[in-house]
Amino acid sequence: DQQVKQNSPSLSVQEGRISILNCDYTNSMFDYFLWYKKYPAEGPTFLISISSIKDKNEDGRFTVFLNKSAKHLSLHIVPSQPGDSAVYFCAASLTGNQFYFGTGTSLTVIP
Amino acid sequence: GAVVSQHPSRVICKSGTSVKIECRSLDFQATTMFWYRQFPKQSLMLMATSNEGSKATYEQGVEKDKFLINHASLTLSTLTVTSAHPEDSSFYICSARLLAGITDTQYFGPGTRLTVL
Repeated sequence: DQQVKQNSPSLSVQEGRISILNCDYTNSMFDYFLWYKKYPAEGPTFLISISSIKDKNEDGRFTVFLNKSAKHLSLHIVPSQPGDSAVYFCAASLTGNQFYFGTGTSLTVIP
Repeated sequence: GAVVSQHPSRVICKSGTSVKIECRSLDFQATTMFWYRQFPKQSLMLMATSNEGSKATYEQGVEKDKFLINHASLTLSTLTVTSAHPEDSSFYICSARLLAGITDTQYFGPGTRLTVL
């Protein structure tokens, strides 16, 4: 039962352009959402999060958008840099309860 | 951000031996820690949720007698792979939960590569 889905296993973007990573969820009760970045053979690194009371959160080049009616969140990276090439996981939780992770999207930023 | 360490980062052991992996939250206290396993080119697989001072909650299909979890303090959880076999070879990652106000974030350790010969 995949409650958090990342339907695009991979994405390629030219350096300097915008990268948009998408994530869909099924449980409307989720109230906290996160994005993680993962390099091979390393643990995921927390990037950015958003509470369900907001629809946008920005941190430098990273912006997360939340559309609760569509049960959809996205991560925008602009401008994209080669060092952004990694696997990105979205996650959702009911605060204080289990986290649910997507299956990840592998982003390649082409120099 | 919050820091979580894991030790060892790599371990190679013989089949039948036991291996202990430590997970520490360095600058915060974590009442809950999680243990994940990642196979090559696959997503994170939650193995168990470890709560300080109580028994771990294992996910379906994870053998609790094989993967022993102890969360003796608010900053330390250990995973012991008992009687390891080659099929246990994997990348094991822990995370620690930081609940603060409305924020609820898992911070991950760097992972442990286990190779069972």
